[in-house]
This record gives sequence, C-alpha cells and structure tokens, in this order.
Amino acid sequence: KAGVTQTPRYLIKTRGQQVTLSCSPISGHRSVSWYQQTPGQGLQFLFEYFSETQRNKGNFPGRFSGRQFSNSRSEMNVSTLELGDSALYLCASSFGLAGDRELFFGEGSRLTVL
Amino acid sequence: DAKTTQPPSMDCAEGRAANLPCNHSTISGNEYVYWYRQIHSQGPQYIIHGLKNNETNEMASLIITEDRKSSTLILPHATLRDTAVYYCIVRVAGSMNSGYSTLTFGKGTMLLVSP
Repeated sequence: KAGVTQTPRYLIKTRGQQVTLSCSPISGHRSVSWYQQTPGQGLQFLFEYFSETQRNKGNFPGRFSGRQFSNSRSEMNVSTLELGDSALYLCASSFGLAGDRELFFGEGSRLTVL
Repeated sequence: DAKTTQPPSMDCAEGRAANLPCNHSTISGNEYVYWYRQIHSQGPQYIIHGLKNNETNEMASLIITEDRKSSTLILPHATLRDTAVYYCIVRVAGSMNSGYSTLTFGKGTMLLVSP
C-alpha cells in the first residue's frame, strides 16, 4: 500500500511569508504527527493529531499550526517565516492510539527561507 | 520519556554483523525501546521495538538486558544500504493523554558500512 505522502517536497520562501505543507497518511491510519529536523536541533516534535483533534504539541511558537481533516489528511502552516524555519518537515502516521504502534514517516518537505 | 545514550558513530564491514548499543538506565517499566534509522535526506524508518523480551524481525534483532537498562540492535549481515543514522528511543506505552506518538529523538549513531 502507498506510504505517507508529503507535498511539496521542496519549496523556497522569503522571510515574512507563510507556508502550508500537506501530509496524506497511510490508508487506514488515523494519527498524524509532525516533526521538524534541522542540523542544529535534530528531530523535534511539533504536534500530533488524531480524529481531527490536536492531541499533543511540542515546544514551538504559535506561528506553527496544523489541522487534520475527516479523511485523516493533515496540513501544517507556518506564518511569518523566519530564517531559522528552514528545515526538513516530516510527517508520520500510525494506526491508532496505542503507544506501542510504530510511526511511518514520509520523505519530508524541505523548506528554505531566504 | 527516559533519555538514551548512544555512541556518535560506528563502523562495520559489509557482510558482518553490526551491533549498535544503547543505554537507557532510567527507563520505566511501561516504556518501550524503539529503533529507527534515517538514511541521508529521507524520513526515519521504523526498525523494531520491544518491551522486555528480545525481538527479531526481517530487518534486525533487538536484545534487551534483563534489567532493561540497555539494549543492542543487531543487523546480522550489514550491507552498504544500511549506512544511516540509527536512533534508539524509549517511549511510554500510550494513552490519550500521554502523547503516544511523540518520539524524542537524540543524536543517534552514525553507522558507516564499508566494502
């Protein structure tokens, strides 16, 4: 079956702009989480959604937001972009609520802020 | 979630077993040990996880010590395609309030498999 799909794969924005990234989870998966990866900070948790509700949120400013739709697809938005937002944004999906479920990651969306 | 300690890098000859250690001395009884790997510029890939018992799948084996304070990921016959950063993560078995899908990644071990 198809894996986690993230779009766009690459994008370039300028400071002050906003960006929306999309994630389509594996069919049947209801949980979607987002991570930011930078060379300096590594992989950091952004937020997690299940059944259209945000279940958990990482330590990021309010400029970072997300949502999940009824078909489990998710989007994340970053407003008023800063240079430090340049990163690989990764989406992961899992089947459900159980903590012993593995996460399946997409290939990521690489954002460059100029 | 408990913290983990991994060596920053390891080398392995192609065809040999790669044994990647992880220390998680503060692990709690309800925390699982997970291993993921990330090949350059790709998303992390799930490898294996376990709670108490040793586990094996088509990719690797996970050996957890009896006191659960450390574990070893074993790639039985490493190939060049196994060159990646390997992350050891401990994670609480979830509930709706525990952030069940939150993974706290450390710096991992960069495994270099050479011909």
